[in-house]
Amino acid sequence: DTAVSQTPKYLVTQMGNDKSIKCEQNLGHDTMYWYKQDSKKFLKIMFSYNNKELIINETVPNRFSPKSPDKAHLNLHINSLELGDSAVYFCASRQGEIGNTIYFGEGSWLTVV
Amino acid sequence: DAKTTQPTSMDCAEGRAANLPCNHSTISGNEYVYWYRQIHSQGPQYIIHGLKNNETNEMASLIITEDRKSSTLILPHATLRDTAVYYCIVRVDYRNDMRFGAGTRLTVKP
Repeated sequence: DTAVSQTPKYLVTQMGNDKSIKCEQNLGHDTMYWYKQDSKKFLKIMFSYNNKELIINETVPNRFSPKSPDKAHLNLHINSLELGDSAVYFCASRQGEIGNTIYFGEGSWLTVV
Repeated sequence: DAKTTQPTSMDCAEGRAANLPCNHSTISGNEYVYWYRQIHSQGPQYIIHGLKNNETNEMASLIITEDRKSSTLILPHATLRDTAVYYCIVRVDYRNDMRFGAGTRLTVKP
């Protein structure tokens, strides 16, 4: 009964491929996020959605497209994968006000070869 | 959003209190101080947060100075499992929602 679950946990793929990472939260939260943690371990926010509406869209290449079919899901689709996309991607969610706690998933390790 | 400054790394003996400092000298009156930690290969985990008053929960205590320009996270009896990177974050604006700095790498040693 993991609160924020991501699949797959590990993904190795070739340059130029298109891949998706799925995220689901069973906490009933209305805001979901994607974060990227690169090899230098900096954790950077990429997107946030509130009630299926895009709220934050950082300077992320448009090869990255988040999709929120419903409040409980926020999937990350990446087109034309590049070596620099190799990172750990974390999904997270939060309920209500901006000050509320954010809960993170366990991460998806993406390696582009 | 106020910026935070934390030491790059700290060591602590097992069973001792770990005191992790954070400077946030430009914090504004409505910004909260949050602490998260990230144990190796796991997602970040919420620890505690506060606005003005000191806070305590089952994991840690948060001491915020009266001028709110700095704070200290206290793990009262550190264990080996507390070895992690600890992030101090201040935020209120939705556009700066939970932005992480470099954090402090705490190593608890036997």
